[in-house]
Amino acid sequence: AQSVAQPEDQVNVAEGNPLTVKCTYSVSGNPYLFWYVQYPNRGLQFLLKYITGDNLVKGSYGFEAEFNKSQTSFHLKKPSALVSDSALYFCAVRVDTGGFKTIFGAGTRLFVKA
Amino acid sequence: DAGVTQSPTHLIKTRGQQVTLRCSPKSGHDTVSWYQQALGQGPQFIFQYYEEEERQRGNFPDRFSGHQFPNYSSELNVNALLLGDSALYLCASSLTVNYGYTFGSGTRLTVV
Repeated sequence: AQSVAQPEDQVNVAEGNPLTVKCTYSVSGNPYLFWYVQYPNRGLQFLLKYITGDNLVKGSYGFEAEFNKSQTSFHLKKPSALVSDSALYFCAVRVDTGGFKTIFGAGTRLFVKA
Repeated sequence: DAGVTQSPTHLIKTRGQQVTLRCSPKSGHDTVSWYQQALGQGPQFIFQYYEEEERQRGNFPDRFSGHQFPNYSSELNVNALLLGDSALYLCASSLTVNYGYTFGSGTRLTVV
């Protein structure tokens, strides 16, 4: 089955430290991968996407993600976390079910402590 | 440039009633997808509209139906509401499915 998984419900990191939010996927064919962020009582905001090309993708707000085909992973990273980065992060993948749709992981809550 | 607009922002309905949620996509976008996000969970795909037709559907019962208009705006209809339909309903627009979505802020539906 085509799917996306976020193995951590919550990630805690101190402000100024690097952060990683993990994502693994299972799709047929070449993956189209996305990261979104959600703040309380709001819709999701697009951060970045991987379609093809360089395995390191840069996105909004200083975030980047590394595509690893052999490990079927697409981890979200930031070199130096800010308290304002505290939010809910979703990994998503486009899947082919006779047409295309995007499915989302269960989400990872990021807490950045001052 | 307006983003995705959803209305209403909040709604309270009684079990068994029907509800219609509305979405205006971002200017230039032609594809609208609807998602249901229960509290503490990731968004679950309901269906997707393109060229006024339902192109893809998730694992939702026929009580959930939709429509897309010539101006690309869309409606989500839910009949015979159940308590379990209480959730945040998100509309996302895109220019084809190959690119990232732009999401609206959602409609919070509470069924009592």
